[in-house]
Amino acid sequence: ETAMTKSPATLSLSPGDRASLSCRASQRLSTDYLSWYQHKPGQAPRLLIYGASTRATGIPPRFSGSASGTDFTLTISSLQPEDSAVYFCQLDYNTFGQGTKLEIK
Amino acid sequence: QVQLQQSGPGLVKPSQTLSLTCAISGDSVSSNNATWNWIRLSPSRGLEWLGRAYYRSKWNSDYAESVKSRIVINPDTSENQFSLQLNSVIPEDTALYYCARGYYDISGHNNYYYMDVWGKGTTVTVSS
Repeated sequence: ETAMTKSPATLSLSPGDRASLSCRASQRLSTDYLSWYQHKPGQAPRLLIYGASTRATGIPPRFSGSASGTDFTLTISSLQPEDSAVYFCQLDYNTFGQGTKLEIK
Repeated sequence: QVQLQQSGPGLVKPSQTLSLTCAISGDSVSSNNATWNWIRLSPSRGLEWLGRAYYRSKWNSDYAESVKSRIVINPDTSENQFSLQLNSVIPEDTALYYCARGYYDISGHNNYYYMDVWGKGTTVTVSS
């Protein structure tokens, strides 16, 4: 089990901005199990990205994922108001990052 | 389309057992590609994976160390659902509980794993 840290805890941006959310693993890991999720209050979490960089079915192309060593990044280009949510990463079956709250001003 | 429907009480007394059920539609609890998970969300601990059950020629389960002595996840093939039992609950078990499908997606040289279907969540409060 590998602890994940994230940065930042809260991100406040404007519509049209670009958001970069990150997770860092404490050791080098396979990217096959790295996923990103979007979670809005009162809703089930939604899978955005799997395998570090593959968009899930129906996810708009403004969402993208990348990996470099132990760093994993979710990028949301051209933010929309509906992108306000908590975003979290997952490694393997039993480890989640703490989550980043994204606020759209 | 796979869906998960959660049910169970939202209030449990300390020292009693928390019991939740997750009914599956569109897939089988005996699927060889899926795992059936329980996860909880709380302000103090964030997202915490609790455990999973899955079938690979026989039934298997994995549990988080933090709850291993108190948790059982059971599949029910007759009803196509799975359940969570968390014994001897304490106020710190108060959380939003989710069931989720973990899916092994073998694609070319990759063997992806992700949680693609989630239940809507059940808020469970542990209080007398």
